[in-house]
Amino acid sequence: EVQLVESGGGLVQPGRSLRLSCAASGFTFDDYAMHWVRQAPGKGLEWVSGISWNSGSIGYADSVKGRFTISRDNAKNSLYLQMNSLRAEDTALYYCAKGQDCSGGSCYSFDYWGQGTLVTVSS
Amino acid sequence: QSALTQPASVSGSPGQSITISCTGTSSDVGGYNYVSWYQQHPGKAPKLMIYEVSNRPSGVPDRFSGSKSGNTASLTISGLQAEDEADYYCSSYTSSSTPYVVFGGGTKLTVL
Repeated sequence: EVQLVESGGGLVQPGRSLRLSCAASGFTFDDYAMHWVRQAPGKGLEWVSGISWNSGSIGYADSVKGRFTISRDNAKNSLYLQMNSLRAEDTALYYCAKGQDCSGGSCYSFDYWGQGTLVTVSS
Repeated sequence: QSALTQPASVSGSPGQSITISCTGTSSDVGGYNYVSWYQQHPGKAPKLMIYEVSNRPSGVPDRFSGSKSGNTASLTISGLQAEDEADYYCSSYTSSSTPYVVFGGGTKLTVL
């Protein structure tokens, strides 16, 4: 059974940093791209960042570029998101999501999601 | 403002069919067959229901179907059931440099 368990969220002041983690199990972690998707309270979904299986390809949403850094440790089956210079608008539930592979490569969808970790940026 | 446009709400009675639309541009929905649909119940994580426009993951009932015409994708749910009441989000690959995918604003489905 695929499991994704996020941790590291909490209350943080504007301008401070936070590091999220996602522990994966139930699949061959280093075969798949992984992503962070966030959801502000009462709002919709927003893709934040993604990383390929070997960390060779990384992408960020414009809203977090230059402030957030995604990484992974395949030996530990873990995904990370280092968030610096946090802003009030970064307040959200952050989901770890597994990239789905289809014949021929990525199908740009997310087939498994964790339960999320809440990040609240407030003074 | 979300990149993809969805109606804020739709409703239907048990047993009926409903369709949720998702409108984008030729840079996303219209240009690629990488449209996905997610179901999200309150307080739960999203669940993939449709990928590559019309494919269902294993375990998703065949009451759920997807299609696309031009820049608009659609999710149809036939034989509505009470447990279908949830928020539904579409997403699409985008050829913009970032982001990787764009989401719609979400549609609240109410089963009357």
